[in-house]
Amino acid sequence: GAGVSQSPSNKVTEKGKDVELRCDPISGHTALYWYRQSLGQGLEFLIYFQGNSAPDKSGLPSDRFSAERTGGSVSTLTIQRTQQEDSAVYLCASEIAGGVETQYFGPGTRLLVL
Amino acid sequence: GQQLNQSPQSMFIQEGEDVSMNCTSSSIFNTWLWYKQEPGEGPVLLIALYKAGELTSNGRLTAQFGITRKDSFLNISASIPSDVGIYFCAGRNSGGGADGLTFGKGTHLIIQP
Repeated sequence: GAGVSQSPSNKVTEKGKDVELRCDPISGHTALYWYRQSLGQGLEFLIYFQGNSAPDKSGLPSDRFSAERTGGSVSTLTIQRTQQEDSAVYLCASEIAGGVETQYFGPGTRLLVL
Repeated sequence: GQQLNQSPQSMFIQEGEDVSMNCTSSSIFNTWLWYKQEPGEGPVLLIALYKAGELTSNGRLTAQFGITRKDSFLNISASIPSDVGIYFCAGRNSGGGADGLTFGKGTHLIIQP
């Protein structure tokens, strides 16, 4: 399909392990966002990529979190040494730069850290 | 950082009733957005508001951008079962990017047939 895709859909891991979450944005969208949604909470901004500019990492909660975007398309969010409080839904969204404020969200990755 | 207060947190209503929810902010936004999220899915944009005082409709949905730029409401008329979900407001400032993009905590809408 033409929408934002994320993988895996669900991830169960043990405390202390590293995880990688993947986002495939809509083709041609230069802006990409990662959000975290904890149970009963709104969306918490994590990181923002815009074209070839340096990413805005101001929302990353700790240095265990990092993200990269290769070739201006696919993005990977990595969480090292996972903790139980990292359990959440991780959502990716993409947007046309300078567009009409329309972010298209993927279905999310549900992460459970045991 | 900026905070959005969204209310109510949840609503239990009968099918056919009208629904109203709102968001208030401690600071000004240039754009207000309303999203709906269904179980297992990402949020989907319902309505975007760009001017203070603007009133916009999308089918049975109506949203307004408060004149002070610090609030917005969303109304749903004649609710139907498929309206069930979590509704989020979001405020954004000009220049795009991540700055000023703030989400409320959501309103859970539950409809009893």
